[in-house]
Amino acid sequence: DAGITQSPRYKITETGRQVTLMCHQTWSHSYMFWYRQDLGHGLRLIYYSAAADITDKGEVPDGYVVSRSKTENFPLTLESATRSQTSVYFCASGHTDTQYFGPGTRLTVL
Amino acid sequence: EDQVTQSPEALRLQEGESSSLNCSYTVSGLRGLFWYRQDPGKGPEFLFTLYSAGEEKEKERLKATLTKKESFLHITAPKPEDSATYLCAVQAMDSSYKLIFGSGTRLLVRP
Repeated sequence: DAGITQSPRYKITETGRQVTLMCHQTWSHSYMFWYRQDLGHGLRLIYYSAAADITDKGEVPDGYVVSRSKTENFPLTLESATRSQTSVYFCASGHTDTQYFGPGTRLTVL
Repeated sequence: EDQVTQSPEALRLQEGESSSLNCSYTVSGLRGLFWYRQDPGKGPEFLFTLYSAGEEKEKERLKATLTKKESFLHITAPKPEDSATYLCAVQAMDSSYKLIFGSGTRLLVRP
């Protein structure tokens, strides 16, 4: 089915570990985005990508790494997880006049 | 700095009681203003995009309007299934299509 999926949906990890969150879309959208959602801050952009092999920082990129070797995939890696990265992470894809969001990954860093 | 402020933070309505949610924004050249609905534990669901002052869009009991400084989401005769958090976001002309979100309005519609 067409759409945008994220995996895992839930993840518990420990401080200092590397974690990768996956995002896959079947619409062939050029643009893909990673947001985090925290109480009191709303949705904040971490990184985005305009096309394969083109990525750029958003509002809160520190501690995160992204790559986009294929149009349909946009993984987000926490190189050394910290407790402040406990959050709900949403991937989105789209074009100029809208973005469609995935179901989210709830990440807890102990 | 581009900014979005939504009010009220929370709103409780009786079924059938119409009301409006507000989204005030400051942006260096507006490309578009977006409304999303978010249910607990789910990702935001796209509702509308507005591009210029005076524009209006409707979907079922929802109508979104846009001025040069704010947008309103009017909810007419709401039903309990309209209960959700409504998010507003702006996209600036020079933003590479990035969205800046407000903190949302939590709407509860009682039967």
